[in-house]
Amino acid sequence: EADIYQTPRYLVIGTGKKITLECSQTMGHDKMYWYQQDPGMELHLIHYSYGVNSTEKGDLSSESTVSRIRTEHFPLTLESARPSHTSQYLCASSAMGQGALDNEQFFGPGTRLTVL
Amino acid sequence: DQQVKQNSPSLSVQEGRISILNCDYTNSMFDYFLWYKKYPAEGPTFLISISSIKDKNEDGRFTVFLNKSAKHLSLHIVPSQPGDSAVYFCAASTMDTGRRALTFGSGTRLQVQP
Repeated sequence: EADIYQTPRYLVIGTGKKITLECSQTMGHDKMYWYQQDPGMELHLIHYSYGVNSTEKGDLSSESTVSRIRTEHFPLTLESARPSHTSQYLCASSAMGQGALDNEQFFGPGTRLTVL
Repeated sequence: DQQVKQNSPSLSVQEGRISILNCDYTNSMFDYFLWYKKYPAEGPTFLISISSIKDKNEDGRFTVFLNKSAKHLSLHIVPSQPGDSAVYFCAASTMDTGRRALTFGSGTRLQVQP
């Protein structure tokens, strides 16, 4: 069973607020990811990290930012939330390695964000 | 441009019968493929995977088939059970951008009728 946690699970917030979505994993994985998913659509990678102090933008442009100060922690921040940010945000992690080890990502339960 | 496509948004089968979920891809650089299962209000969970050097991988009731020439893979669930009702995502992986990343399809909602 994957040990990756996200808080909050649900968040309803007003426009212009600063929010931080938390993600932590206890598996010692070096690689961590943030995906955004709208209902009925594919998951889009918005950020990833290959280790401490390493962060990169993903395939989908996002106004959010991330940090990786500790291996187990990969928070995502929106400085000023807007209704267009309403979506589900999924955090994932994976180990370094070959084949299945390198490819299999473990997902957290997600945060469903609604910006009014 | 969607590189991984799941053209059937939903599928309904009877309990005990076979469920076949399909996935097509366009990027010939994909070298690893995975299927994830997602229940409502939960994150996706890994189900089964296959390397591009193989054409079949089996794990219990789940079998994934890969046809590289057709750029097509499928997930077979036999026999289907009501607990299999979920959204299934196909994902493909490549290193051609200098990093290992997954590209997901839009999912197929499977409903297994008791």
